Amino acid sequence: QVRLVQSGTEVKRPGASVKVSCKASGYTLTSYYMHWVRQAPGQGLEWMGIINPTGGFSTYAQKLQGRVTMTRDTSTSTVYMELSSLRYEDTAIYYCARDYGDEGLDYWGQGTLVTVSS
Amino acid sequence: DIVMTQSPLSLSVSPGEPASISCRSSQSLLHSNGYKFLDWYLQRPGQSPQLLIYLGSTRASGVPDRFSGSGSGTDFTLKISRVEAEDVGVYYCMQGLQTPRTFGQGTKVEIK
Repeated sequence: QVRLVQSGTEVKRPGASVKVSCKASGYTLTSYYMHWVRQAPGQGLEWMGIINPTGGFSTYAQKLQGRVTMTRDTSTSTVYMELSSLRYEDTAIYYCARDYGDEGLDYWGQGTLVTVSS
Repeated sequence: DIVMTQSPLSLSVSPGEPASISCRSSQSLLHSNGYKFLDWYLQRPGQSPQLLIYLGSTRASGVPDRFSGSGSGTDFTLKISRVEAEDVGVYYCMQGLQTPRTFGQGTKVEIK
């Protein structure tokens, strides 16, 4: 069965970087794009970007351009999202979600809480 | 960017009663292939979002038939024919027509 398993909780200082992983199993990573979506405490869902695991090409939300980088390691079926120059407002749960073509984001990771605190 | 606007933002429904959530997009979500690129997601308390409806009206695998989606190019509706306790959570619409993907603000559904 398809599973997306994310890395654990992170606590970071302002200005630091965080790298969250999302390991896919039950399908071939390169068959589907992967999105990253975040959710600040008590807030709605915010789209961050998308990566094509085949070629590694990514498109990012404009507000995160220059701070976010999405990569993949096809040998381990893992995608990564790195966010740099962390700010307090980056405190959120970060989700990876598989893009099943026209048929929506059909599988989501369990979420990774990133807390930015001094 | 396409702006997605949901209403109402909260809804209190008695078990067995119907519920309806509206989602409006600032641009048509109708693709040249005839499909409408609008999804609905449910985020139950403490859980990750899950896909309910894609292409405006197609239920995802395992989604009960009490959930239905409909709509035109810019106005969409999610209906629950008879609300059950497990339907509690926040419902989001999301446009899948273009990047950046954008979500509605969410509609919180609770049971009376």
